[in-house]
Amino acid sequence: QSVLTQPPSVSGAPGQRVTISCSGSSSNIGAGYDVHWYQQVPGTAPKVLIYGNNNRPSGVPDRFSGSKSGTSASLAITGLQAEDEADYYCQSYDSSPSSYVFGTGTKVTVL
Amino acid sequence: QVQLQESGPGLVKPSQTLSLTCSVSGGFISDVDYYWSWLRQPAGKGLQWIGRIQISGRTTYNPSLKSRVTMSVDTSRSQFSLKLSSVTAADTAVYYCAKLENWGLDWYFDLWGRGTLVIVSS
Repeated sequence: QSVLTQPPSVSGAPGQRVTISCSGSSSNIGAGYDVHWYQQVPGTAPKVLIYGNNNRPSGVPDRFSGSKSGTSASLAITGLQAEDEADYYCQSYDSSPSSYVFGTGTKVTVL
Repeated sequence: QVQLQESGPGLVKPSQTLSLTCSVSGGFISDVDYYWSWLRQPAGKGLQWIGRIQISGRTTYNPSLKSRVTMSVDTSRSQFSLKLSSVTAADTAVYYCAKLENWGLDWYFDLWGRGTLVIVSS
């Protein structure tokens, strides 16, 4: 039921920069609803990484940053580290139907 | 520090009702500013929001599951619960309880339980 589209996978060498896109529509991201990002290490619960498009909770490294434009959003990871290997999900709100919605998820692999 | 912990049967028969409870430690469940939520994740798949509840008992459910979902809250026990009726194999998933945090006009899931696997099988 994912209405936000993400690339299935992205990869990069340690130290590189990778970006993950999150494509929505006029009823969710394009309607002005904020985008939030979660990191999920396999076998564990998701953890909020970015909230309100570009805000980091305390404890989240500043290597992680978010942005939003139009009907899309992006998560950037700079200075990629081995510990960043995980699944990443974007999340927003959709007004039709009224529901919190998630992206399809992106697996980040550190080469 | 607020912590959430899911509990309930790990195996439910088809057509029966799945029942889970989330225990909240830290005393935040009575805060009127928070919503408490359930989500699920089938193995190898993405996240799906199921519904949310305030301590007032006000609920909002995912339209795709609304006809089968009931959520309730018990502030005296610092718990909130999920019931999902008429389950099928498609309801097999890891179920998470989570706290919704307000951000302007939006909300995001800032705290999560560890999750509990529920298998629907005869």
